[in-house]
Amino acid sequence: DTEVTQTPKHLVMGMTNKKSLKCEQHMGHRAMYWYKQKAKKPPELMFVYSYEKLSINESVPSRFSPECPNSSLLNLHLHALQPEDSALYLCASSSGQEETQYFGPGTRLLVL
Amino acid sequence: DAKTTQPPSMDCAEGRAANLPCNHSTISGNEYVYWYRQIHSQGPQYIIHGLKNNETNEMASLIITEDRKSSTLILPHATLRDTAVYYCIVRVAKGRRALTFGSGTRLQVQP
Repeated sequence: DTEVTQTPKHLVMGMTNKKSLKCEQHMGHRAMYWYKQKAKKPPELMFVYSYEKLSINESVPSRFSPECPNSSLLNLHLHALQPEDSALYLCASSSGQEETQYFGPGTRLLVL
Repeated sequence: DAKTTQPPSMDCAEGRAANLPCNHSTISGNEYVYWYRQIHSQGPQYIIHGLKNNETNEMASLIITEDRKSSTLILPHATLRDTAVYYCIVRVAKGRRALTFGSGTRLQVQP
């Protein structure tokens, strides 16, 4: 089983809202990732968690706040987003440093 | 991670083999070649990866040249469901964990 689940599938939010994206995997993977994909562009890395600790932050604005409550769950808290933050947000996981990453279906976010 | 070059788009007839090339002339000895694909509006799907030897799985075959400067992903019998953007990614075995996606090849399988 190589399933990564993400909720919600779609999200519309205003610039003053606070919302959260959720990602879950039950493969025992110890590394989890957030990527952002704008329309017609490739995915770009945002954050990497390794053993529930943040190991990479690709200079992401503080209005995006990741959280890894346990080894199976990864959240992305959103606050005061801008319309240009509208994108597909992808979560991935891998079993270790050099192992294959498996992606979830993504959350399509629209900021109005 | 080494940079990759792929053609922006390719067409393939349904039922025929699709051969997707990737150039990675600056690849280092400890870097793997990974292939992912992304069907419209879905998350990227892992296909295959290799270091030096050719690899085959239920989805595809990966042919890596002897000098490792290029590779070809082969979908042996393309179907309409294989229409997607295919990404070739070169990644070190250890160190930075994340994938750096290039622009990929948009494969259109024609009926």
